[in-house]
Amino acid sequence: GENVEQHPSTLSVQEGDSAVIKCTYSDSASNYFPWYKQELGKGPQLIIDIRSNVGEKKDQRIAVTLNKTAKHFSLHITETQPEDSAVYFCAATFSGYSTLTFGKGTMLLVSP
Amino acid sequence: DSGVTQTPKHLITATGQRVTLRCSPRSGDLSVYWYQQSLDQGLQFLIQYYNGEERAKGNILERFSAQQFPDLHSELNLSSLELGDSALYFCASSIGLAGGFPYEQYFGPGTRLTVT
Repeated sequence: GENVEQHPSTLSVQEGDSAVIKCTYSDSASNYFPWYKQELGKGPQLIIDIRSNVGEKKDQRIAVTLNKTAKHFSLHITETQPEDSAVYFCAATFSGYSTLTFGKGTMLLVSP
Repeated sequence: DSGVTQTPKHLITATGQRVTLRCSPRSGDLSVYWYQQSLDQGLQFLIQYYNGEERAKGNILERFSAQQFPDLHSELNLSSLELGDSALYFCASSIGLAGGFPYEQYFGPGTRLTVT
């Protein structure tokens, strides 16, 4: 089945710096790649997603890039703020179905 | 607020017992997904329903079952509970099924299950 690897597992940055989280997937048929932010005690919140017919997508301070050839996608957060501190999960579809396979998560800590 | 509701928020029970977790999807969403989140396994897909019918199964134990009712709410039943079943259980909903490209999934706040 699908396998999603996510790196790094933890990431510490200073406020105002950029943060990059990378994921690789195994199923070349995967066609949808969402990113979720999970704050303590809450459910995962969809923050951005990208589909396989697009190479890059941006929404204010966050962007996602997709390299289908290499089977990897990345989340970029610019001008980080303390409220960006959370666990971020990448995910990918499994063989064209809508069920998601998640990476293990990245704990992002933004220090003031 | 995603619009997905889950009850109860917390559940503490003993080994061997049976519990039912409830989920109401966002208004208009027909698909419901159940996920289990634990420290060692991460977020794992359990099962999906679409408009009352089971559509996909993931790593769901035989002791676990689910259903989706005509009003589209869903219940996850966990029986013969073991200590290892302690986890966060999330429900997510989306507007439909994947024909070509999948639809966005929105998660509820989760139910924290503790088995003692």
